[in-house]
Amino acid sequence: GENVEQHPSTLSVQEGDSAVIKCTYSDSASNYFPWYKQELGKRPQLIIDIRSNVGEKKDQRIAVTLNKTAKHFSLHITETQPEDSAVYFCAAYSGGSNYKLTFGKGTLLTVNP
Amino acid sequence: KAGVTQTPRYLIKTRGQQVTLSCSPISGHRSVSWYQQTPGQGLQFLFEYFSETQRNKGNFPGRFSGRQFSNSRSEMNVSTLELGDSALYLCASSLSRGTGAADTQYFGPGTRLTVL
Repeated sequence: GENVEQHPSTLSVQEGDSAVIKCTYSDSASNYFPWYKQELGKRPQLIIDIRSNVGEKKDQRIAVTLNKTAKHFSLHITETQPEDSAVYFCAAYSGGSNYKLTFGKGTLLTVNP
Repeated sequence: KAGVTQTPRYLIKTRGQQVTLSCSPISGHRSVSWYQQTPGQGLQFLFEYFSETQRNKGNFPGRFSGRQFSNSRSEMNVSTLELGDSALYLCASSLSRGTGAADTQYFGPGTRLTVL
């Protein structure tokens, strides 16, 4: 089955700096890669996603890149703000009839004012 | 549209008891997935339902079961509770248009289960 590794497990940055979180996946059939943000005590919320036919996607301060050959994808947050502090999860969705999202174990991002 | 809702939000049970959790998806969404979230293991997939049929199941013991009703609402049941079942149980709904492409999953607030 699919296996998703996420690094680092914790990340601390100064306000205004950039943050990068990296994930690798094992199933070459995976074709959809969402990123979720979970604030303390709240539900995971989708922040950006990318499909396997695209190499990069941006939404304001957030970008995701995908390297299908290397089977890894990354989340980039620029100009970080204290409200970006949360746990971020990457996930991979295998195509076909799996109907399953496999999540990484999460990255706790702390943005220090 | 109203978001995904889950009831109850909090539950305290003792070992050996059973529990039923409920999930109401976003209107029009036909797929419901369930996840167990614990601090050490992250989000682990339990099962996915579509049109009252379980399409996939994660690596959990048979004590974990679920079902989906004709209105797409879903329930999961855990029998013979163990201490290790204490977790946040999240459900997520998606359109599942049947095109073969994945649809975005929207999460509910979760049910916090504590087993004493």
